[in-house]
Amino acid sequence: RKEVEQDPGPFNVPEGATVAFNCTYSNSASQSFFWYRQDCRKEPKLLMSVYSSGNEDGRFTAQLNRASQYISLLIRDSKLSDSATYLCVVNIDFNKFYFGSGTKLNVKP
Amino acid sequence: GAVVSQHPSWVICKSGTSVKIECRSLDFQATTMFWYRQFPKQSLMLMATSNEGSKATYEQGVEKDKFLINHASLTLSTLTVTSAHPEDSSFYICSARDPGQGPKEQYFGPGTRLTVT
Repeated sequence: RKEVEQDPGPFNVPEGATVAFNCTYSNSASQSFFWYRQDCRKEPKLLMSVYSSGNEDGRFTAQLNRASQYISLLIRDSKLSDSATYLCVVNIDFNKFYFGSGTKLNVKP
Repeated sequence: GAVVSQHPSWVICKSGTSVKIECRSLDFQATTMFWYRQFPKQSLMLMATSNEGSKATYEQGVEKDKFLINHASLTLSTLTVTSAHPEDSSFYICSARDPGQGPKEQYFGPGTRLTVT
């Protein structure tokens, strides 16, 4: 079983739409959680950390559900520039990071 | 934010040759750097954790004699792919922790695209 699982998509949405991605993780000892964004043929860039109480950064909202072992990312008012692959990342201990396979988002005009 | 560079950004080599990839933290000291590999349409797979001044820790299934890692200073780690084969063609990405920024976040280099012919 993979450490981190994501729906690969693609999610094709119109500009202005709200879209949500989920990610599940298998290790209950996971400590930290992140969403990264990766553009085609580029390195991943940190989008936001995910905190237990949930957190928001502009149009992006991240939630963590430890009991069910999933995290989510909500994007409101989608922009064309949001088109990318979104990677769910889980940190198990100090030096163990596990990446989901990514969810591809295409925002259409 | 912390900046990590990689060199070269792309390289083409012949089967049997060795290729060295450098990863540098430009504005911070990184005691730990990570090396990942990403095949097309797949996620990043951690290959090894590189610790300054000590031996790297390799993930299961990664040949330490084939992927040589050296972390000689707090700002430089190198990955050498020895006796490269076409199946080693991939996108190699390093990342580093900036202990001054936060305990868990890592910053990625721009990646090195390796093609073995």
